Amino acid sequence: AQKVTQAQTEISVVEKEDVTLDCVYETRDTTYYLFWYKQPPSGELVFLIRRNSFDEQNEISGRYSWNFQKSTSSFNFTITASQVVDSAVYFCALSGGEYNFNKFYFGSGTKLNVKP
Amino acid sequence: GAGVSQSPSNKVTEKGKDVELRCDPISGHTALYWYRQRLGQGLEFLIYFQGNSAPDKSGLPSDRFSAERTGESVSTLTIQRTQQEDSAVYLCASSTSSWNEQFFGPGTRLTVL
Repeated sequence: AQKVTQAQTEISVVEKEDVTLDCVYETRDTTYYLFWYKQPPSGELVFLIRRNSFDEQNEISGRYSWNFQKSTSSFNFTITASQVVDSAVYFCALSGGEYNFNKFYFGSGTKLNVKP
Repeated sequence: GAGVSQSPSNKVTEKGKDVELRCDPISGHTALYWYRQRLGQGLEFLIYFQGNSAPDKSGLPSDRFSAERTGESVSTLTIQRTQQEDSAVYLCASSTSSWNEQFFGPGTRLTVL
């Protein structure tokens, strides 16, 4: 079955701390995509990154970095030197591959609170 | 250009009434998704449209839920005989294809009294 687990319900850090948001997924597909979305307090989800199952290279974009490890079925997201504006709910998502290509499976989200 | 828009932004209704929610996707986006997000929860897939293909309705929770889309334009999600457990934010997203990033609308907050 397709499933995304974000075990951390809520995390609080102080500004400038680094923080890692965990994402573990389950799929029987060999081809699939993984995503991270940010949902700020305003409510509208914003796309952050997409990674396909054949590309295990880590990615860095400014203060954001992603660590994709197929061996552990994880796609973790790290924010370096966190800022108050990073406060939001972050969702990890999995798109189906050859068996479920229409569907997206979202984790339950991790609420990040960054305090000044 | 314009993003995904949804209307109404808020809807309060009485139990047993029918409601209709509207989504205007980004022009040219062939894929359109509806999701339900209950308070403090993740997104629950409801239905997927891709061009003129038959929609994937496998996420609809009951036969009280239905959705339509005309070609690659507007979509409406209809909930008949609403129940209190239908209270949630209903999100619409569009994409150029099923594996690409989705662009989300602001959602419709439905409250069933």
